[in-house]
Amino acid sequence: SQTIHQWPATLVQPVGSPLSLECTVEGTSNPNLYWYRQAAGRGLQLLFYSVGIGQISSEVPQNLSASRPQDRQFILSSKKLLLSDSGFYLCAWSGIAGTAVNQPQHFGDGTRLSIL
Amino acid sequence: TQLLEQSPQFLSIQEGENLTVYCNSSSVFSSLQWYRQEPGEGPVLLVTVVTGGEVKKLKRLTFQFGDARKDSSLHITAAQPGDTGLYLCAGGSGYSTLTFGKGTMLLVSP
Repeated sequence: SQTIHQWPATLVQPVGSPLSLECTVEGTSNPNLYWYRQAAGRGLQLLFYSVGIGQISSEVPQNLSASRPQDRQFILSSKKLLLSDSGFYLCAWSGIAGTAVNQPQHFGDGTRLSIL
Repeated sequence: TQLLEQSPQFLSIQEGENLTVYCNSSSVFSSLQWYRQEPGEGPVLLVTVVTGGEVKKLKRLTFQFGDARKDSSLHITAAQPGDTGLYLCAGGSGYSTLTFGKGTMLLVSP
């Protein structure tokens, strides 16, 4: 069966520090991968998605970036965190790369990021 | 831009009551999904509906996709404390990414 792992579960970082959140998927090949941010337990804001290795689409301009160095690995990064970057970050996968990016998605357990 | 409006935003009920939550849009979607999210966890897919007028049942949960594929409802019969969580709907069409609603927070008290 397919599983998705995100880490760390909780992270407290000072303003201006760098960030690296990692997400890996097991049990499937060529998935579409997604990074979302969720504020205050409400709706999901899509940040980035990827339909293949090295292919990243950005939905919202910000000081975050994403990379997909391997088929089942998706990384969310920042060089300098802002207070507004606080939130709950979720990684998700769906279908097979090359198929529609609006298929049902399967989420990790998220990372709670607090910026001080 | 496609938008999905969910109502109510928050619902607090007693165990055993019935409830319905709604997901509405002015746009047509080729498919609509419902997720439930518990505090501190990621959303979990409950169901996908793809045909206008389609009804799907998952134990005490009944999902309906509107005939025009612009809206959907989730009905829970005899709610239990384990149903507590944030219910999110998400719509997809064409080559665009999923559009998520802001969710309905459901609290079921014993």
